[in-house]
Amino acid sequence: AQKVTQAQTEISVVEKEDVTLDCVYETRDTTYYLFWYKQPPSGELVFLIRRNSFDEQNEISGRYSWNFQKSTSSFNFTITASQVVDSAVYFCALRDSGGYQKVTFGTGTKLQVIP
Amino acid sequence: DVKVTQSSRYLVKRTGEKVFLECVQDMDHENMFWYRQDPGLGLRLIYFSYDVKMKEKGDIPEGYSVSREKKERFSLILESASTNQTSMYLCASSSLALNYGYTFGSGTRLTVV
Repeated sequence: AQKVTQAQTEISVVEKEDVTLDCVYETRDTTYYLFWYKQPPSGELVFLIRRNSFDEQNEISGRYSWNFQKSTSSFNFTITASQVVDSAVYFCALRDSGGYQKVTFGTGTKLQVIP
Repeated sequence: DVKVTQSSRYLVKRTGEKVFLECVQDMDHENMFWYRQDPGLGLRLIYFSYDVKMKEKGDIPEGYSVSREKKERFSLILESASTNQTSMYLCASSSLALNYGYTFGSGTRLTVV
């Protein structure tokens, strides 16, 4: 069975601080996909990134960066110089290689950026 | 702009009522999903469909059923609503060909009183 653990339930940071959201996953599959989604107060989940299990390159997109480490089954997400607009719930998710594309989500981390 | 549209943003129903939650996508996606989101529990998969008239149970299908008569529409049905079904319901779709993440609707917050 697949599992995604986001141990941080809520995090508060002051604007311009860096913050890292942790994600640990479990799967028996050798091919799988990892995702991060953002859910702002409006409610709609927004796709941020997808990572394949065979691509361990870290990725940077503006103030966002992702650190994928297969050895520790972790896929952590860092926001640099946080802004108030980053306040949201962030979900890490795992999908196997099966055709149905079922995704298992973590319980989410609520990030509050204080001005 | 591609979209997944959920028919209602907020819904209040009485215990025992039959409730229909509708979801429509305009991206010609094969797969569609219904999740419920509860505080501390994240998103849990109720049902999904990989083709017209095809459906598969997710992790928490009890008390729910689904219908997919057309490719673009996936309906979630609460046969007899109960207060423990008060939740945020999220519909999503995905494409086998594109192999990207889900596209989500904006959610329906259902309250059963």
